[in-house]
Amino acid sequence: DQQVKQNSPSLSVQEGRISILNCDYTNSMFDYFLWYKKYPAEGPTFLISISSIKDKNEDGRFTVFLNKSAKHLSLHIVPSQPGDSAVYFCAASNTGNQFYFGTGTSLTVIP
Amino acid sequence: DTGVSQNPRHKITKRGQNVTFRCDPISEHNRLYWYRQTLGQGPEFLTYFQNEAQLEKSRLLSDRFSAERPKGSFSTLEIQRTEQGDSAMYLCASSSEMQGPRTDTQYFGPGTRLTVL
Repeated sequence: DQQVKQNSPSLSVQEGRISILNCDYTNSMFDYFLWYKKYPAEGPTFLISISSIKDKNEDGRFTVFLNKSAKHLSLHIVPSQPGDSAVYFCAASNTGNQFYFGTGTSLTVIP
Repeated sequence: DTGVSQNPRHKITKRGQNVTFRCDPISEHNRLYWYRQTLGQGPEFLTYFQNEAQLEKSRLLSDRFSAERPKGSFSTLEIQRTEQGDSAMYLCASSSEMQGPRTDTQYFGPGTRLTVL
């Protein structure tokens, strides 16, 4: 049972424009959410996180939005750069010990 | 700080053989996680250690799988009697308890890719 879902397997965006990656979850007990970026042949790299007490967290070009009522979070990248091309995973946790990952969205930023 | 390292990076084995992978976490991190990732999927949680104690195990971790972290530093993941379905990327991650359970940031290693023939 997939508790964290990323329904868009791929996304293409023009350089300089906004990239919006979406993630939905089913477990209302999740209270901590993360986004990871993964390049081929490397492990995932932490990008940004948000706890359920917030609805927005910003770090440079990256902003994560959390809508608890909709069980939805999104990652905004502005402006998008070719180096952002990678697979992006969202993850969620309710205990801090076990993390559930989505299936990933492959982002391509076109120069 | 050299990050999380995993060895070997690639392992090819025949069905029925045993394999063992090693993970060296970031030195000051007391939490260590093992995940499995198959093609087109995200990482799936296998097990979690805090220091040397194995505190959580996923149902995915059948009795052919065993993980240890004997001194609270490096960890090993052993798969006995490998099956073709075990073919996957095995990822290790570590984090620091000092960050607190609600702000845990896991740092991943590059993974060990297992191919079972």
